[in-house]
Amino acid sequence: NAGVTQTPKFQVLKTGQSMTLQCAQDMNHNSMYWYRQDPGMGLRLIYYSASEGTTDKGEVPNGYNVSRLNKREFSLRLESAAPSQTSVYFCASSRVGSSYNEQFFGPGTRLTVL
Amino acid sequence: TQLLEQSPQFLSIQEGENLTVYCNSSSVFSSLQWYRQEPGEGPVLLVTVVTGGEVKKLKRLTFQFGDARKDSSLHITAAQPGDTGLYLCAGAPGSSNTGKLIFGQGTTLQVKP
Repeated sequence: NAGVTQTPKFQVLKTGQSMTLQCAQDMNHNSMYWYRQDPGMGLRLIYYSASEGTTDKGEVPNGYNVSRLNKREFSLRLESAAPSQTSVYFCASSRVGSSYNEQFFGPGTRLTVL
Repeated sequence: TQLLEQSPQFLSIQEGENLTVYCNSSSVFSSLQWYRQEPGEGPVLLVTVVTGGEVKKLKRLTFQFGDARKDSSLHITAAQPGDTGLYLCAGAPGSSNTGKLIFGQGTTLQVKP
């Protein structure tokens, strides 16, 4: 099992460009999440999907959109990238019915917006 | 808004020393987790504590959940260079069933040989 996979690993964008970050999990998890990680700020939730067909905003959703394509895949789109979106982005998943909400993370996408 | 405050934010020690990392909140959590993250990788779950007062041990790491389920600590005995990394605590809000977690800011640990 690959667990949670993310593509691309690295990306450089110019201000105003758009891109989609891809995430897939093969653990049959219902819930999936997108976080951003900035120095000294831990992980901040951008969007999450508690189940296929549903998405909800997290703590920092502005400037992002998401699509839960199917149970396995959850993508994050930046429509018009800004330098403030320079960060490391992590996708995670967790098992439905898990009372402990244990999450499994992908390796991250390192995004720089110039 | 529920917050988790971790302290210290950065710790640099010599191999063999002991250390404790704290994770505090004014809110109650139904469970609390500790993750470890190495450079260039995603966080990996170390342990979950769910009962107030619970203590769990993982080799040289000891995790404790506060009696009121508002705080937690991670104690490392005789730290080794392999313990170097970012340690994150994360709490599951008591009223949420969405799977969401609240993360602390993280503690960067550097263990020098």
